[in-house]
Amino acid sequence: GAVVSQHPSWVICKSGTSVKIECRSLDFQATTMFWYRQFPKQSLMLMATSNEGSKATYEQGVEKDKFLINHASLTLSTLTVTSAHPEDSSFYICSAPVNTGELFFGEGSRLTVL
Amino acid sequence: QKEVEQDPGPLSVPEGAIVSLNCTYSNSAFQYFMWYRQYSRKGPELLMYTYSSGNKEDGRFTAQVDKSSKYISLFIRDSQPSDSATYLCAATPFSRGSQGNLIFGKGTKLSVKP
Repeated sequence: GAVVSQHPSWVICKSGTSVKIECRSLDFQATTMFWYRQFPKQSLMLMATSNEGSKATYEQGVEKDKFLINHASLTLSTLTVTSAHPEDSSFYICSAPVNTGELFFGEGSRLTVL
Repeated sequence: QKEVEQDPGPLSVPEGAIVSLNCTYSNSAFQYFMWYRQYSRKGPELLMYTYSSGNKEDGRFTAQVDKSSKYISLFIRDSQPSDSATYLCAATPFSRGSQGNLIFGKGTKLSVKP
C-alpha cells in the first residue's frame, strides 16, 4: 500500500513554544491531506483538511491561528502548533487519500507540552 | 450522543477465540463503514470496508452492517496474539473519495493471550 510518513514521531516542548509536524506522502501525490487529533481513550477527531496550494479548511472549534497548516507541495503538509500549552498535548495523525479514495495514515506524532 | 459509539474495552481473549467487536451509530445518512486496526503508537490501517447493509469477509475477518438497527460488527476468527491492537470503527455518509469525513468510534483495545 501507499506510505504516509510523519515526522517527528514524538516531541516534547516547553509551554509557549511552537512545534512543527510534517506529513509526507512518499510514493504518491496528495492534493488533500487530513489532520486528526487523538486524546487518550478518545476517538480520532478531524481537525482540518489541508489543500495543496490553497488555505486549509478547519473543523468547528479548531483555532486556525493556533494550528497553522501549510500544504506547499503535492507530497508535503505541515501542522504547526503555535504557542503550545499542556492542553495541546495529544497524538496528532495525518492521512492522505490515494486515487481510489482509500485513506492511508501516518504513524502519528505524540506531542507533550511541559 | 456521539455519532459513533464503541465500547473501549479492554477486551482480553485466549488465542484461537472468536472475537466480536461492535459499534452503534446514530446518523441514518451513514452509508460507508470501515474498520481500522491501530497498533500502539502507530497510525490506523484500513482492515475492512463495507457499503450499506450486509456482510463482507476477508480471511479471518468478517465485517457486518445492519442499517435497520444501526449496528456495525467485526468478527475475528481464530484470533492470534498479533491481532492485539485497538480496533476503530468509522462511518461516513460520503463516497470513498471523501474519507476525510469519517466519524470514528473511540476504539476497542483487544488483547489476545497466547
